[in-house]
Amino acid sequence: EPEVTQTPSHQVTQMGQEVILRCVPISNHLYFYWYRQILGQKVEFLVSFYNNEISEKSEIFDDQFSVERPDGSNFTLKIRSTKLEDSAMYFCASKKGVTNTEAFFGQGTRLTVV
Amino acid sequence: AQSVTQLGSHVSVSEGALVLLRCNYSSSVPPYLFWYVQYPNQGLQLLLKYTSAATLVKGINGFEAEFKKSETSFHLTKPSAHMSDAAEYFCAVSRLIQGAQKLVFGQGTRLTINP
Repeated sequence: EPEVTQTPSHQVTQMGQEVILRCVPISNHLYFYWYRQILGQKVEFLVSFYNNEISEKSEIFDDQFSVERPDGSNFTLKIRSTKLEDSAMYFCASKKGVTNTEAFFGQGTRLTVV
Repeated sequence: AQSVTQLGSHVSVSEGALVLLRCNYSSSVPPYLFWYVQYPNQGLQLLLKYTSAATLVKGINGFEAEFKKSETSFHLTKPSAHMSDAAEYFCAVSRLIQGAQKLVFGQGTRLTINP
């Protein structure tokens, strides 16, 4: 069964460093998303991406964040200068098309900023 | 704006007992509603979804949920709990915005099953 895969599963980084979280969405999907979950809090929407551009982003997704689909398979989230409060589980998700309502999630990357 | 409230961050039931996880939503437009489950060290897996068809929705693993517009609720139930149902459950709401589907999640309910 096709699945969304995320790497790494756990990333530890020092404050101020850049991190790139990687995702491989399901191959025939067209919509891509990043969500995050700070420990003990809700899963929050960060950004959606379609047709090689951001379609919507939340207030959390400030200038420190960027997304990219560098080739036909990967979808990345970059945090330029990490802060302690960026520590969270980051989930990638993908959706097939406009009329298909189900988003498929990856297993997540746990980012720890020290 | 849309929002979801899950009543009870922790629910504990005995094996074989009824599971009831509560979800209330707020939406200014007709919503799409979802329940996701997260097992330890795994991602979010869709249990079931409501997309304006039948109000009683059946999902995987014997779970079902009923959309009640008058109560703005979408509670998740299972007649008989199994040990393997122990997990975190998330209710989520969305609407279509130019084809993108932003999910707004509740805070989650951790379900514990007692032998």
